[in-house]
Amino acid sequence: GESVGLHLPTLSVQEGDNSIINCAYSNSASDYFIWYKQESGKGPQFIIDIRSNMDKRQGQRVTVLLNKTVKHLSLQIAATQPGDSAVYFCAEREYNFNKFYFGSGTKLNVKP
Amino acid sequence: EADIYQTPRYLVIGTGKKITLECSQTMGHDKMYWYQQDPGMELHLIHYSYGVNSTEKGDLSSESTVSRIRTEHFPLTLESARPSHTSQYLCASTTSGPETQYFGPGTRLLVL
Repeated sequence: GESVGLHLPTLSVQEGDNSIINCAYSNSASDYFIWYKQESGKGPQFIIDIRSNMDKRQGQRVTVLLNKTVKHLSLQIAATQPGDSAVYFCAEREYNFNKFYFGSGTKLNVKP
Repeated sequence: EADIYQTPRYLVIGTGKKITLECSQTMGHDKMYWYQQDPGMELHLIHYSYGVNSTEKGDLSSESTVSRIRTEHFPLTLESARPSHTSQYLCASTTSGPETQYFGPGTRLLVL
């Protein structure tokens, strides 16, 4: 299957700082990407998505950047809060297929 | 916020037992998915469905089976549970259009 991986398994940031979580994907045919947040004991929660015809999308305190040239995806969280502590996954979907492929996740620790 | 439900949330059973994990969604989504996730690891697709009477095997070999008799219901069955089945099982469904995938809270299964 496709390879979706994350550069850093654990990221520690100070409360109030900005966080950047990175993700690399290998399938150039992927046309849709999602970032999920998963807290302990819960299912993944949708954060933000982006289509391959865009290179940036902003939500509330979060921004996703897509660089198709190097097949790289990032999630930026502004003014990180303790409640942002979780594992973050990126997922990709290949065009015309209905399957999503997930990376192994990055654990974000927010220090007060 | 998606309305997708899984029961039970936690299950401890003995080897050889037959179990069914329930998943229901009230959003009328056609596509539904089952993933297996070990702690801190990526999600692996084990089954998916495009709609009623449609089921497909995912990328991870699984000894489970699924059925899709009603749009809102996508149960997963293990005929004879083994300790190797110990994991978290996540159910998801997708919207139409942007194909955003929403997850249920998961079922944590422990087979003794």
